[in-house]
Amino acid sequence: QLQLQESGPGLVKPSETLSLTCTVSGDSISSSSYYWGWIRQPPGKGLEWIGSIYFGGSTYYNPSLKSRVTISVDTSKNQFSLNLTSVPAADTAVYYCARYSRVIAAFDIWGQGTMVTVSA
Amino acid sequence: IVLTQSPGTLSLSPGERVTLSCRASQSVSSSYLAWYQQKFGQAPRLLIYGASSRATGIPDRFSGSGSGTEFTLTISTLEPEDFAVYYCQQFGSSPRVYSFGQGTKLEIK
Repeated sequence: QLQLQESGPGLVKPSETLSLTCTVSGDSISSSSYYWGWIRQPPGKGLEWIGSIYFGGSTYYNPSLKSRVTISVDTSKNQFSLNLTSVPAADTAVYYCARYSRVIAAFDIWGQGTMVTVSA
Repeated sequence: IVLTQSPGTLSLSPGERVTLSCRASQSVSSSYLAWYQQKFGQAPRLLIYGASSRATGIPDRFSGSGSGTEFTLTISTLEPEDFAVYYCQQFGSSPRVYSFGQGTKLEIK
């Protein structure tokens, strides 16, 4: 059974870099049928797509975050990662990793999410 | 493409029928329109993909329809476990971006 698990610091200081990793278990990240994405949700608010990556390395980012976001993949570890630089308090959110199926064109598997607080 | 969901909040009783709306600022391919359910403290769960296809394990009281700029999610008979927040989501191929609606909250009346 496919599972996604986010990991990383729960507290980041303003202006620093937020770094998270998503570990995929139960299937290979190197499948041509999927993209792998990051989505966040500020407390009490809706969902915001951050960006997605294909196992071959192609990336797609939310234009509003593009200047601060890097998503990378490590197929040897079956992981993909998010780096978000120069974070303000407004980047405080639950961060989810998710699998996007190219077959059905939807995020079909989600991690449980990890809360990241940006505060001094 | 901006997705606008209405209403923001609905107060209903178990057993009622409900239709949620998702309107796109420009035409969206039905193939790329999905609906998700999110319960408090949980990750979103895929309900509907391709505007009208139910995801694996989703009860048939959930149905989706629509095309172009107007899409709907209908729950035929509300069960207590259906009270949650519902999001629509679309994929745009040029540029290659994903976007979510702001959500509709179903609360128990």
